[in-house]
Amino acid sequence: AQKITQTQPGMFVQEKEAVTLDCTYDTSDPSYGLFWYKQPSSGEMIFLIYQGSYDQQNATEGRYSLNFQKARKSANLVISASQLGDSAMYFCAMAGSARQLTFGSGTQLTVLP
Amino acid sequence: SAVISQKPSRDICQRGTSLTIQCQVDSQVTMMFWYRQQPGQSLTLIATANQGSEATYESGFVIDKFPISRPNLTFSTLTVSNMSPEDSSIYLCSVEPGTGPRTDTQYFGPGTRLTVL
Repeated sequence: AQKITQTQPGMFVQEKEAVTLDCTYDTSDPSYGLFWYKQPSSGEMIFLIYQGSYDQQNATEGRYSLNFQKARKSANLVISASQLGDSAMYFCAMAGSARQLTFGSGTQLTVLP
Repeated sequence: SAVISQKPSRDICQRGTSLTIQCQVDSQVTMMFWYRQQPGQSLTLIATANQGSEATYESGFVIDKFPISRPNLTFSTLTVSNMSPEDSSIYLCSVEPGTGPRTDTQYFGPGTRLTVL
């Protein structure tokens, strides 16, 4: 069974500052993928970034980077230079051998002007 | 990534009625999924929509309540049957177009926001 834990129900960050959203996971699959999605108030789910369990380097996509620490089973999302439009719910998710996504409970990020 | 549309975007329905939600993709995809997101909650997988065969349902979801069709590789429907207020949720379809950083990267439609009175 797979499990994703996001321990921060809500986070605040000042505009232009960096913020880290925490995600820890548990799985028995030797190969897996970790994903982050953004959900604005409109409800759509926007794919942000992906990290493979065998990837040697941390993933980066523009202002998003993933701090992957395999031994700690953590996959934290780092957003640099926060913008007001970054205010949204952020979900960490995992896919293992079953190709199904398991989602965490989410973190509501609020960017303050 | 694939362009995914859902209809309707939102609806308000009466208890005991049924609603069919459509999901259309602009390219052929093998895997399509349906998720439910109850208010203030995370996403829960309802079923995998299989083309040409019956959908594969997750524990806690049954075909009589959530019948799914998948007539071709670009289209699927989810019906929410005999609705109750507990069915008030956002329903999202997702696809694996096979073109993301990982072949099973899922991309989501805009969602259908359902309120049952």
